[in-house]
Amino acid sequence: GNSVTQMEGPVTLSEEAFLTINCTYTATGYPSLFWYVQYPGEGLQLLLKATKADDKGSNKGFEATYRKETTSFHLEKGSVQVSDSAVYFCALRATGNQFYFGTGTSLTVIP
Amino acid sequence: EAGVTQSPTHLIKTRGQQATLRCSPISGHTSVYWYQQALGLGLQFLLWYDEGEERNRGNFPPRFSGRQFPNYSSELNVNALELEDSALYLCASSSWGLVEQYFGPGTRLTVT
Repeated sequence: GNSVTQMEGPVTLSEEAFLTINCTYTATGYPSLFWYVQYPGEGLQLLLKATKADDKGSNKGFEATYRKETTSFHLEKGSVQVSDSAVYFCALRATGNQFYFGTGTSLTVIP
Repeated sequence: EAGVTQSPTHLIKTRGQQATLRCSPISGHTSVYWYQQALGLGLQFLLWYDEGEERNRGNFPPRFSGRQFPNYSSELNVNALELEDSALYLCASSSWGLVEQYFGPGTRLTVT
């Protein structure tokens, strides 16, 4: 079946620290992979995506590379800011347009 | 371009009542997805509609139902409300030409 497993939080970092949030997936076929971000009291916003193996998605300093050999799509940012505090969701779109989401990882960045 | 809209923003109901939540997708999108996000939990998939038909549903009881209208807007109905139905209900839209889905701001349902 299809599923997404992501690193459990919460994660607390100091401003300008390096961020990694791990995400691995199980899927049949060739899924597209996503990271979504949810700020307090809001819906989810698409942060970045990758549609095939070795693609790197990037946006606002965040990056993630689609690794088929390790079935992973880890989210990274070199220097986090207080404004990056949010919940991050890893997701995949399987064959047939069904979406699967991880459980979310809460990130708090302290000044 | 307008994003996904949901109404109402907040909804307060008492146990046993019915709730109706509405979603308007981005113009041109034919698929609507509904998710439940209970406090402290991730997204639980509820329903997926495309071109007016239900394509899939998650592991929820039949009192969770919905429909999609000819203009692709959608309605989620929750009958016989229970306290544990209190959650943020998120709607997302997509299209066969897109890989991603776009979310609305959600409806916060509180059951007392």
